[in-house]
Amino acid sequence: ETGVTQTPRHLVMGMTNKKSLKCEQHLGHNAMYWYKQSAKKPLELMFVYSLEERVENNSVPSRFSPECPNSSHLFLHLHTLQPEDSALYLCASSPRTSGGARDEQFFGPGTRLTVL
Amino acid sequence: GENVEQHPSTLSVQEGDSAVIKCTYSDSASNYFPWYKQELGKGPQLIIDIRSNVGEKKDQRIAVTLNKTAKHFSLHITETQPEDSAVYFCAATLKRDDKIIFGKGTRLHILP
Repeated sequence: ETGVTQTPRHLVMGMTNKKSLKCEQHLGHNAMYWYKQSAKKPLELMFVYSLEERVENNSVPSRFSPECPNSSHLFLHLHTLQPEDSALYLCASSPRTSGGARDEQFFGPGTRLTVL
Repeated sequence: GENVEQHPSTLSVQEGDSAVIKCTYSDSASNYFPWYKQELGKGPQLIIDIRSNVGEKKDQRIAVTLNKTAKHFSLHITETQPEDSAVYFCAATLKRDDKIIFGKGTRLHILP
């Protein structure tokens, strides 16, 4: 266990559905991240939150909406997704308040998302 | 844009032999190079990292070397064991914005 949990572990949804992914970290970290992992592609950073403020948004489509209500919880709200959005969505946290990448990032197990 | 190239994409080695995975990066200002291991059904986990002020770092059977001039770094696993089978990712951070760029990963198979 890395101290980062994600729910659900698997999700199947239609293109018109609305769903949310949840991430929780029990490490006392100040920065949290959402990544997309697709087959045969590098991990893609989607969002970075530092001290509950979004500091990075890598040109992610608006059908993905993140929310960080406190430093321990991170959500990814999904709406009107496309089949090409099917992937493993990974949450990570790190101790740096700047949200910088030069400290170890602790990853959750991911949510396997399938969009029909 | 900045990128990290990782080779090979798949690697099979006999148990007990050594495995080497190589990465190159494009941003000469990168200064932090972590390696992650991802087992089936789990998220990536940091196994070793190196900063730009050193050329080599070792932790038991795992070592990483960095050549800043050539902009490449490598992961070396010696005396491989079945539990080393996994996908390994290299990464490099961009100094200007602390963004981390990952390689595409290497699937390592340890053959009995």
